[in-house]
Formats: sequence, structure tokens, C-alpha cells
Amino acid sequence: AQKVTQAQTEISVVEKEDVTLDCVYETRDTTYYLFWYKQPPSGELVFLIRRNSFDEQNEISGRYSWNFQKSTSSFNFTITASQVVDSAVYFCALSEAFGGSQGNLIFGKGTKLSVKP
Amino acid sequence: KAGVTQTPRYLIKTRGQQVTLSCSPISGHRSVSWYQQTPGQGLQFLFEYFSETQRNKGNFPGRFSGRQFSNSRSEMNVSTLELGDSALYLCASSLALNEQFFGPGTRLTVL
Repeated sequence: AQKVTQAQTEISVVEKEDVTLDCVYETRDTTYYLFWYKQPPSGELVFLIRRNSFDEQNEISGRYSWNFQKSTSSFNFTITASQVVDSAVYFCALSEAFGGSQGNLIFGKGTKLSVKP
Repeated sequence: KAGVTQTPRYLIKTRGQQVTLSCSPISGHRSVSWYQQTPGQGLQFLFEYFSETQRNKGNFPGRFSGRQFSNSRSEMNVSTLELGDSALYLCASSLALNEQFFGPGTRLTVL
């Protein structure tokens, strides 16, 4: 069965600190997709990144970076020099690529990040 | 480009009633998925529609149903509401094989 685990329920940091959000996944599929979403207090899920199982290259986008390691089934997310606006709940998600459908996202429980000034 | 819109944004119902939620996807997107978010269970997949056909379904009772129209707009219906159905219902749209874009959600409260 597919499963996503975000062991960190809540993290609190002070502005400008770096913070890493952990994500561990389980799947028997060889082809799958991994995602990170951000949910600010307004409630709308904001897409951050999608990575397929064949692409293990790390990615950097501004202050955000992602480390995908198939050997440990992990897809961790790092925010460098955190800002108050980064405060939100962050979700890691997994989907299989069966039949071209990615409509079934399996989410972790989320990590609530609080960045204090 | 307009984002995913969901109506209504807030809804209060009583046990036993039924409710219909609406979702308009981003123009050109043919896939619409629905999710339920609760504090206890987190985000759970309800169903996915593509070109008016249900392509995938989560593990929810038959009281939860949905449909998609020819213009890709989608509705979900919950009959015989229970207290545990109180949740944020999120709709997402996507082009085939691309990331899902979520709407602001409908917050349903069942009294």
C-alpha cells in the first residue's frame, strides 16, 4: 500500500534560520510522482514541486530546495533563510502513474511550520 | 488565467440533509479531483473525473458521489449528512500528467 509519512508535526524557527521538512514514502510502484504543497492559513493548497521517480536530481528554486533519494524513499524539503511568510502547513504527497491518472494524491499528515520574527 | 473556483465557500447543514458542492476547473483542464480534509484524517482522496467519467475513487461510503459535466465543471454530493462529514472539501484540476491546482475549498459544517 502507498503511504506518506511526515514525522514532524510542528516546527518552529526564528526568521533567517534554515529548516528541513522530512518526507518518507512507501510504494510498490516503480513509476510514481512526488509532490510538495503549501497550505497557508487561507486554506488553499499551493503547488510547490513535482518530481517523478526517474528523476533523482535535486532541485533548487530560490530559497527552496528538494532532496530526492530513492535509496531511502525520502523527498525532503529545505527552506533557506526562512521568512515569516513561509509560515504554513506543508504537505508531501505521492501519486502512482497508473493509466496516466495522477488524480489520486496520497498526502502525508503535514508539517506545520511557524517562522517567528 | 482564472484559478479553480469552488462554491459555496461556507455551508452549514444539519444531520440527515444532503449537500451539493460545485467546482469550476481552470480553463482547459479536463481532470477534476476532490479531497476531504479533516483534523483527524488529514487530506483524503474522494474521486477523480476526466472527460465526464469517474477515473478513480477513494475509500468513502456511497453517500459521497460526484459527476462532471461536458464543460469540465464538477459537482460532488453528500447525502444523509453525518457529523463526521464536517470538513474542508477541496477540488483540484489538472491537465493530463501535470500537477494539480487546488481551489480555496468549501468548508462544510454539519450540526
